[in-house]
Amino acid sequence: QQQVKQSPQSLIVQKGGISIINCAYENTAFDYFPWYQQFPGKGPALLIAIRPDVSEKKEGRFTISFNKSAKQFSLHIMDSQPGDSATYFCAASEDSNYQLIWGAGTKLIIKP
Amino acid sequence: SAVISQKPSRDICQRGTSLTIQCQVDSQVTMMFWYRQQPGQSLTLIATANQGSEATYESGFVIDKFPISRPNLTFSTLTVSNMSPEDSSIYLCSFWTGGLDTEAFFGQGTRLTVV
Repeated sequence: QQQVKQSPQSLIVQKGGISIINCAYENTAFDYFPWYQQFPGKGPALLIAIRPDVSEKKEGRFTISFNKSAKQFSLHIMDSQPGDSATYFCAASEDSNYQLIWGAGTKLIIKP
Repeated sequence: SAVISQKPSRDICQRGTSLTIQCQVDSQVTMMFWYRQQPGQSLTLIATANQGSEATYESGFVIDKFPISRPNLTFSTLTVSNMSPEDSSIYLCSFWTGGLDTEAFFGQGTRLTVV
């Protein structure tokens, strides 16, 4: 019940296309859903996060869509650029315990 | 948001030795954590660094192997003791900001290679 399932494991998108990464969870007590971007040799960087009071959050080219009834959330990267090539992790937590449950990660490659 | 500084960024160590990793945040934070990330894998929580008390370790991690200090609300260290090649990994510190919209941030990581 603590798992967060992330898909796909890897993704290749043409420059300018839309990259979509999906995550699903079981624990209905989760109330914080961040996405992290990680480049090789670096720590994860918080990209965008959402809480269940909204169904969508947009920051620049990055959008989180959240479906509470389906217990799913997804990251959309619009106009994908080669610089977006990285590994993306979704995570979830209950604010009350500050412990992130991580997805397995998606390696995204944007082809020029 | 607060700035988190982790060092060293990388090290190559001999087996049987110990390495201490430092994590400094530029503001006081309540919750600090230490993670390990194997190459190509997701993050695994090692322990919660509690200020003024012993760290709380996750299953599979023990204090003798990964002693943690947290002397104040801005600083923590993780020591990897009696290292073996299996300890080669990226080690990351993390903290949560305070307030209603609390969020988790990570240091740049320490890439450890044990030879």
